[in-house]
Amino acid sequence: ETGVTQSPTHLIKTRGQQVTLRCSSQSGHNTVSWYQQALGQGPQFIFQYYREEENGRGNFPPRFSGLQFPNYSSELNVNALELDDSALYLCASSSSPKSGANVLTFGAGSRLTVL
Amino acid sequence: DQQVKQNSPSLSVQEGRISILNCDYTNSMFDYFLWYKKYPAEGPTFLISISSIKDKNEDGRFTVFLNKSAKHLSLHIVPSQPGDSAVYFCAASASSGGSNYKLTFGKGTLLTVNP
Repeated sequence: ETGVTQSPTHLIKTRGQQVTLRCSSQSGHNTVSWYQQALGQGPQFIFQYYREEENGRGNFPPRFSGLQFPNYSSELNVNALELDDSALYLCASSSSPKSGANVLTFGAGSRLTVL
Repeated sequence: DQQVKQNSPSLSVQEGRISILNCDYTNSMFDYFLWYKKYPAEGPTFLISISSIKDKNEDGRFTVFLNKSAKHLSLHIVPSQPGDSAVYFCAASASSGGSNYKLTFGKGTLLTVNP
């Protein structure tokens, strides 16, 4: 059973640029959620994808967008990068879109630095 | 407004002793609570959870206690081992209210277990 894999592990961008982060979900999982973890903070929910559609969204602007593919992998896209976007971006997969009893399996994250 | 609060950024204990990590929440809609552990350069991993219909859940050395009236939960680790040294995140979810797809995390507590 493979876990959640994310790429790239680290990247550096400049303000105004665009970034795409990728995530492969754990085998058997059909739901992907993305979280942003800023330095010294807990993970903050960005959005969730289920059946290739956005199933829920946190308090993030529209320049944060995503995709889910038929194989359940996912992408997170961020346009017009700002300094405050510097964070660890965590992808998590699960076997159901409902939280709680459906445990999330997290990847190791993509560390984004915006200069 | 932080709905899940972990007021102790760090905790240091001796090997073999008890570690007690605390978490408070403000949202009455939360009905499922989880603890995740995070090592450096790894994603958070699920540790233990508890439903609001229970006040205690035990799994080996780990026990979570829930006090709904006080909106407080705690994680007890007995006995503590050096390998338990990690950041511990408290997380909560609400099965109703339209946001049952996400977890709300606290900022985390860094536990250091000294040999």
